[in-house]
Amino acid sequence: DAGVTQSPTHLIKTRGQHVTLRCSPISGHKSVSWYQQVLGQGPQFIFQYYEKEERGRGNFPDRFSARQFPNYSSELNVNALLLGDSALYLCASSLRVPYNEQFFGPGTRLTVL
Amino acid sequence: AQKVTQAQTEISVVEKEDVTLDCVYETRDTTYYLFWYKQPPSGELVFLIRRNSFDEQNEISGRYSWNFQKSTSSFNFTITASQVVDSAVYFCALLPNTGNQFYFGTGTSLTVIP
Repeated sequence: DAGVTQSPTHLIKTRGQHVTLRCSPISGHKSVSWYQQVLGQGPQFIFQYYEKEERGRGNFPDRFSARQFPNYSSELNVNALLLGDSALYLCASSLRVPYNEQFFGPGTRLTVL
Repeated sequence: AQKVTQAQTEISVVEKEDVTLDCVYETRDTTYYLFWYKQPPSGELVFLIRRNSFDEQNEISGRYSWNFQKSTSSFNFTITASQVVDSAVYFCALLPNTGNQFYFGTGTSLTVIP
């Protein structure tokens, strides 16, 4: 069975642009969470979706938004990119919430110039 | 406040040595879960273990063992007879009662020297 997949693998943008990152959860998993991992730090929680509804939001500005589709895949959108948005963006899926272990994808490496 | 502290930023050991990675957490929730993840250079976080707040039994899985002590709010991870393949960044994480947000520590980078 395929694990969590994310696309693209790498992305280079310039300040002010917007970006869309995509995630497909493990088959059968209904929850998707997004994390930002800045170099040398632990992942920081951005959003969690379960059954297409937002279940949690971390301390990120409104430039960050996300959604989950009927097939449980998800998109993370970031508008008006800043240099500080350069990071590894991780998607994690879990069978259900709460208290389930999350299985992480390989991440999307975003570089903002 | 919810917080995870991994005081050891980097550790280097020689192959076959034992190594313990420390994790201290803070939470006011009475129900919570603790996790350990491994992040190899490829970047993907690999799940290692989940422990709930009501189960303080130590756990052993092959060369890996975990020591959970609520009295000291610690959840330490020991690798016995370390191998080069163990080289990675290891993260401890807390999932409190609300169940929708993981709180990760800053990670411990382990290098096993052959």
